[in-house]
Amino acid sequence: DAMVIQNPRYQVTQFGKPVTLSCSQTLNHNVMYWYQQKSSQAPKLLFHYYDKDFNNEADTPDNFQSRRPNTSFCFLDIRSPGLGDAAMYLCATSMRQGRTGYTFGSGTRLTVV
Amino acid sequence: AQSVSQHNHHVILSEAASLELGCNYSYGGTVNLFWYVQYPGQHLQLLLKYFSGDPLVKGIKGFEAEFIKSKFSFNLRKPSVQWSDTAEYFCAVNNFNKFYFGSGTKLNVKP
Repeated sequence: DAMVIQNPRYQVTQFGKPVTLSCSQTLNHNVMYWYQQKSSQAPKLLFHYYDKDFNNEADTPDNFQSRRPNTSFCFLDIRSPGLGDAAMYLCATSMRQGRTGYTFGSGTRLTVV
Repeated sequence: AQSVSQHNHHVILSEAASLELGCNYSYGGTVNLFWYVQYPGQHLQLLLKYFSGDPLVKGIKGFEAEFIKSKFSFNLRKPSVQWSDTAEYFCAVNNFNKFYFGSGTKLNVKP
């Protein structure tokens, strides 16, 4: 089945230790997004790729970076995780213009110790 | 900037009660509108979407939503809720490849 896969499902990292979350898709969607969702809050858009074009949200901290080496894969790099970065990180994809809606991955829950 | 408002943060209903969750958005141009549901411990799933045509949209599991352009609203409804509808519901607006989510409404259906 075509889908969005996030690995790992749960990630524990040490304070200040770089961590990478991965997302892959078999839908061949143009656009890939990373969202941060903290408990009882709406998902917050961090950035998105439209094909190879990277689009950062103005309030996304510099600590968060992303890479999209090809259509299928997108990575979220957190250079120096702080306790406040503990959250669920959601990857989503859509076709251009987003008219079909998002397809979400199951998320990676990040714990910072 | 685009914003999406969900005024009901927490709703508690008994089974068979009717549901209406409010959603208002701030953008005046062409938008695509969505409702997503997040069951406990699961990922976000699409309930329904609107981008043109009949403003009354029917989605999965008996949900529907009505787009009222003059009110910038896209309220979600269900005539009779079930215990299995207990979840968090997010309204979202799409414009130029970006999705903006409301803060969510937690629905708790008592059996």
